[in-house]
Amino acid sequence: DIQMTQSPPTLSASVGDRVTITCRASQSISSRLAWYQQRPGKAPKLLIYEASTLDSGVPSRLSGSGSGTEFTLTIASLQPDDFATYYCQQYNSNPSFGQGTKLEIK
Amino acid sequence: EVQVVESGGTLVQPGGSLRLSCAVSGFTLSDIWMTWVRQIPGKGLEWVANINRDGSETYYVDSVKGRFTISRDNAKNSLYLQINGLRVEDTAIYYCARGGYYTSWYWRSWGQGTLLTVSS
Repeated sequence: DIQMTQSPPTLSASVGDRVTITCRASQSISSRLAWYQQRPGKAPKLLIYEASTLDSGVPSRLSGSGSGTEFTLTIASLQPDDFATYYCQQYNSNPSFGQGTKLEIK
Repeated sequence: EVQVVESGGTLVQPGGSLRLSCAVSGFTLSDIWMTWVRQIPGKGLEWVANINRDGSETYYVDSVKGRFTISRDNAKNSLYLQINGLRVEDTAIYYCARGGYYTSWYWRSWGQGTLLTVSS
């Protein structure tokens, strides 16, 4: 099984900040990585797939990069809607998720 | 509009059985792989099971193999998850998610989830 490790677990930031969340895979997953946003009480929302492809309707201030075992999700200028929990998920083999990164308002 | 609506979650005693259901609309179910994902309240996400378009192929996370069965009825636009031998650690919100034509590796459309609580 492929283990996914996200860092940091919690990130405090302010509106307008640039933030980066890192996701590491226990073995190479090529570019088979997705990112989700989840707000409290809601289902996850797909943001990015194939490591860097933004899903339809996702604002361009979000971007994803990486391949192999190390990946990042960057939000260029935080907006109030962005404060939520973010998960990475690999699909190179049976899917598995990172433990999540909670993005909090500083 | 794609809609995915789970149901069937409730309070069940350990060792019991339950079937969760997922009703879909806005797309042709027989064209799509489907998935169950679960989330312990306040915790992370765990992929549970996938099923191919005609139900002939199923895949499970190791922790549920032998106890969970994913199935579908395309004529009824419905997906199911049969859970036997329920354990306290099966307590979670169970989400139904829409995959793609060829596989189901990441998911754009999710239901609102149904809460299963396993407790004596």
